[in-house]
Amino acid sequence: DAGITQSPRHKVTETGTPVTLRCHQTENHRYMYWYRQDPGHGLRLIHYSYGVKDTDKGEVSDGYSVSRSKTEDFLLTLESATSSQTSVYFCAISEQPRTSGSSDTQYFGPGTRLTVL
Amino acid sequence: GENVEQHPSTLSVQEGDSAVIKCTYSDSASNYFPWYKQELGKRPQLIIDIRSNVGEKKDQRIAVTLNKTAKHFSLHITETQPEDSAVYFCAARANKFYFGSGTKLNVKP
Repeated sequence: DAGITQSPRHKVTETGTPVTLRCHQTENHRYMYWYRQDPGHGLRLIHYSYGVKDTDKGEVSDGYSVSRSKTEDFLLTLESATSSQTSVYFCAISEQPRTSGSSDTQYFGPGTRLTVL
Repeated sequence: GENVEQHPSTLSVQEGDSAVIKCTYSDSASNYFPWYKQELGKRPQLIIDIRSNVGEKKDQRIAVTLNKTAKHFSLHITETQPEDSAVYFCAARANKFYFGSGTKLNVKP
């Protein structure tokens, strides 16, 4: 497995509380992504980053924010958690998805199971 | 944005038979198509990928085909084994990755 860790691995929280999930990589890959996985929906992109302090929205970004102050860390924050955000969250990394000829394979972290009561 | 559809949602085969999973995409700018295998409780793992300048790629029992004109690509697993049982996801990338909803493959011994 690529050097990707996620913390925490499991979390139970209450509606209305803020939650921050952390993704840490040791591969020095430029691109980092946050996905959520729900039954019947596959993996849906929340936000991604193409460099330090450079981020963009994915298809399900409402209610989430991200920050990337260092190459190795990408944080996902649920500003006020809701029950609809109960899900498994995966972080992923890749090198240069926009550059032809370079490796753009995505590698996934182990996931964080979040339950919002 | 891109829309990736994957079929079937579940597939049950006898050990030794072949399995085929199909995906379609909508964005003609998509140029990279990976396939992931996900075992229960584990992370998705890349098993094979194909780029838009290639029509077919094989890796032992696994092959992927791409038809750019029809905007569809398929995963073929031959001589299936019980350890192939998992959920398989296709994906397409234009500027971002878009995933299909997954196929649960069950290989019966």
